[in-house]
Amino acid sequence: AQSVSQHNHHVILSEAASLELGCNYSYGGTVNLFWYVQYPGQHLQLLLKYFSGDPLVKGIKGFEAEFIKSKFSFNLRKPSVQWSDTAEYFCAVYTGRRALTFGSGTRLQVQP
Amino acid sequence: EAGVTQFPSHSVIEKGQTVTLRCDPISGHDNLYWYRRVMGKEIKFLLHFVKESKQDESGMPNNRFLAERTGGTYSTLKVQPAELEDSGVYFCASSQSGSTSGSRNIQYFGAGTRLSVL
Repeated sequence: AQSVSQHNHHVILSEAASLELGCNYSYGGTVNLFWYVQYPGQHLQLLLKYFSGDPLVKGIKGFEAEFIKSKFSFNLRKPSVQWSDTAEYFCAVYTGRRALTFGSGTRLQVQP
Repeated sequence: EAGVTQFPSHSVIEKGQTVTLRCDPISGHDNLYWYRRVMGKEIKFLLHFVKESKQDESGMPNNRFLAERTGGTYSTLKVQPAELEDSGVYFCASSQSGSTSGSRNIQYFGAGTRLSVL
């Protein structure tokens, strides 16, 4: 069965620091990849997605992610975080067999 | 356009009681999914409806959980009787009809229902 690993469970950064959250999946076939974010008290919302084509995808709020097929990775990046980026971030994979498979989430705390 | 809405946002019940969670998907979305997140772990799939039919319920933990989607609109998830290990956040998501690949495979989530079983 497919699985998703998010290596950072809790990340604390100062404003303007750069962010990279790791995501690795285990599945040998074609995948769709997603990053979702949940701000405190709000719904899970889609940050960005990869279906095919350019492996570098850009999402909302200045986030981007790079799909590296050989490493089974889809890391999330942002050059300069803001206090408003404080949230929980989830990486997810869709393989066509079932619904989404999620990682365990990364809680990001940005200090002003 | 209204998003996915879930009710209640928080439910506290005692072990052995019954709880019913409700999800209203985005209008026109035929696919409806239930997920659960227990104790800060990963969000796990429970089941998938296409309109009123259960497409996949392989993630349902046991027969104390019953999901329905009468008329293919809103869905309910009933837990009866609730046990301590059922505590967690229950998420609902919906996506458009047709193929589950490509752009139609974007799932839109609600804010979740936090269930606490005491």
